[in-house]
Amino acid sequence: KNEVEQSPQNLTAQEGEFITINCSYSVGISALHWLQQHPGGGIVSLFMLSSGKKKHGRLIATINIQEKHSSLHITASHPRDSAVYICAVMGTYKYIFGTGTRLKVLA
Amino acid sequence: SQTIHQWPATLVQPVGSPLSLECTVEGTSNPNLYWYRQAAGRGLQLLFYSVGIGQISSEVPQNLSASRPQDRQFILSSKKLLLSDSGFYLCAWLGSGAETQYFGPGTRLLVL
Repeated sequence: KNEVEQSPQNLTAQEGEFITINCSYSVGISALHWLQQHPGGGIVSLFMLSSGKKKHGRLIATINIQEKHSSLHITASHPRDSAVYICAVMGTYKYIFGTGTRLKVLA
Repeated sequence: SQTIHQWPATLVQPVGSPLSLECTVEGTSNPNLYWYRQAAGRGLQLLFYSVGIGQISSEVPQNLSASRPQDRQFILSSKKLLLSDSGFYLCAWLGSGAETQYFGPGTRLLVL
């Protein structure tokens, strides 16, 4: 079993739908990150969470430390949101990555 | 502001040839540096990380090696490439507070 599990692995949505991507982890962490990888391969950091909830535009990320679970929500999804979303937990100076969720939003 | 560079962006190499990928960081000093690989259809895998000049930690046994000859330079090398070395290689550095990593643009390597 991977130390960081994401679900679903693949997700297709219609434009405007509310999307949820889940991440569960089994190790102690100092922080959890949501990353976005575009088709060209470039990776950008969306959120860094150590507790609670963060919101940036149409993106919302939550974390439950006790349950070792985090969710990334996208409201009013748009085709430009199509990407791979990766959950990564930060241990001691090192990331442990989930395998990613491939999201495709159809117009 | 901090910037991370990687080159080349794309590389096609024959099996058995050597490899050298370079990563440099600007705007910070003594960063923790990382090399990751992403094989086709798979997640990111940490290959090496470095906390200082000449200090390299290897995460997985493999055909690759890494070196850090200068504070803001991290090099990934191989003496003889294998087909299985194909993938997308990303360099990253650890930001202040040791909580966020910033990724370079990546090098796409195809070994034929």
